[in-house]
Amino acid sequence: DVKVTQSSRYLVKRTGEKVFLECVQDMDHENMFWYRQDPGLGLRLIYFSYDVKMKEKGDIPEGYSVSREKKERFSLILESASTNQTSMYLCASSPAGRGIAEQYFGPGTRLTVT
Amino acid sequence: AQTVTQSQPEMSVQEAETVTLSCTYDTSESNYYLFWYKQPPSRQMILVIRQEAYKQQNATENRFSVNFQKAAKSFSLKISDSQLGDTAMYFCASSHTGANSKLTFGKGITLSVRP
Repeated sequence: DVKVTQSSRYLVKRTGEKVFLECVQDMDHENMFWYRQDPGLGLRLIYFSYDVKMKEKGDIPEGYSVSREKKERFSLILESASTNQTSMYLCASSPAGRGIAEQYFGPGTRLTVT
Repeated sequence: AQTVTQSQPEMSVQEAETVTLSCTYDTSESNYYLFWYKQPPSRQMILVIRQEAYKQQNATENRFSVNFQKAAKSFSLKISDSQLGDTAMYFCASSHTGANSKLTFGKGITLSVRP
């Protein structure tokens, strides 16, 4: 079974802190994605990566950055957390080259910024 | 650009009955893929069913089937014999067919199955 894990299920941080959300997948997938999920807004893509050290902006990249130094790990970084970044963050991965391939999701990290 | 619209925020169905969740989409691509994902309460999102746009036959996975109307750009999900475990949020999504494609999601619908 494909497994996507995220470093924390729940996280509470203060405004202005630097926050790292980690995601690890064990299926050697090339593609990895970070979404945020908010009530009434669905899932919105923040950043994605097609390969190690590669990254592409999604629909809402402002206030976020990412790092992919190893194939299995994709990190989301909030440089200076703000209250409007309180949300559920979902990581996903998928194999490359096949558009019909499903994305496999992690359990999510519920981040609260106070 | 692709857009996906789920206009119903929530639905409720009696156990063992059938329910249909609606989804419309828009795309400039001639070929694309459509998906329904399920997110149970406090659990991970999983794929329910997928459809390739060039295939006319509607996809089916056990109790789950789709009604794909390409001309109308409609992609509804039918759940037959609803079970309590079907209670979840359901997301409709689309992607283009190129390599390394990304998903565009709708806002989701909360489905409650009543015992």
